[in-house]
Amino acid sequence: GDSVTQMEGPVTLSEEAFLTINCTYTATGYPSLFWYVQYPGEGLQLLLKATKADDKGSNKGFEATYRKETTSFHLEKGSVQVSDSAVYFCALSAGGTSYGKLTFGQGTILTVHP
Amino acid sequence: AAGVIQSPRHLIKEKRETATLKCYPISRHDTVYWYQQGPGQDPQFLISFYEKMQSDKGSIPDRFSAQQFSDYHSELNMSSLELGDSALYFCASSRGGWLDTGELFFGEGSRLTVL
Repeated sequence: GDSVTQMEGPVTLSEEAFLTINCTYTATGYPSLFWYVQYPGEGLQLLLKATKADDKGSNKGFEATYRKETTSFHLEKGSVQVSDSAVYFCALSAGGTSYGKLTFGQGTILTVHP
Repeated sequence: AAGVIQSPRHLIKEKRETATLKCYPISRHDTVYWYQQGPGQDPQFLISFYEKMQSDKGSIPDRFSAQQFSDYHSELNMSSLELGDSALYFCASSRGGWLDTGELFFGEGSRLTVL
């Protein structure tokens, strides 16, 4: 079945550091890929998405590129802020009639210190 | 605009009791999804509804049932509760069919604690 693997966490960075959170996936067909963020005590929010190979999703300084050849969708940000501290989930959707049936990775806890 | 509303936000039950969670989607969203997130775990898909019909089913126990009503709100009913059912239950909504962009809007979750 479909699966998503995220890098081991948690990740602790200083403010303005560069961030990379690795995500690889296994899926049949051509899934859509997503990054969701979960702030403490809140629900998940869509951060960015990409629906086909070589698409780059971007939002709030975060970027991720859909790489079909390496089955990856790594999240990057050039300069993190304390307010970016949250849990980040990589997810895929097989699409079709199950667009919202997401398979999530295990989540990566990001803590940014001033 | 109002987001996805879930109630109750917190619920404490004893083993073998029954619990009902409610979800009110964003206006004009016709698709609802339920997810279960155990402590320190990633969200697991339970079930979804499109236009009041079940559209997909995931790892939902037989003790659980759900439905979507004519006003598109949804309820998740959980019976014979077990300790392992303690989790955060998320509801998400979207516009389905040809309007589906693949983006889900999540509620803040209902935290169920089974004692």
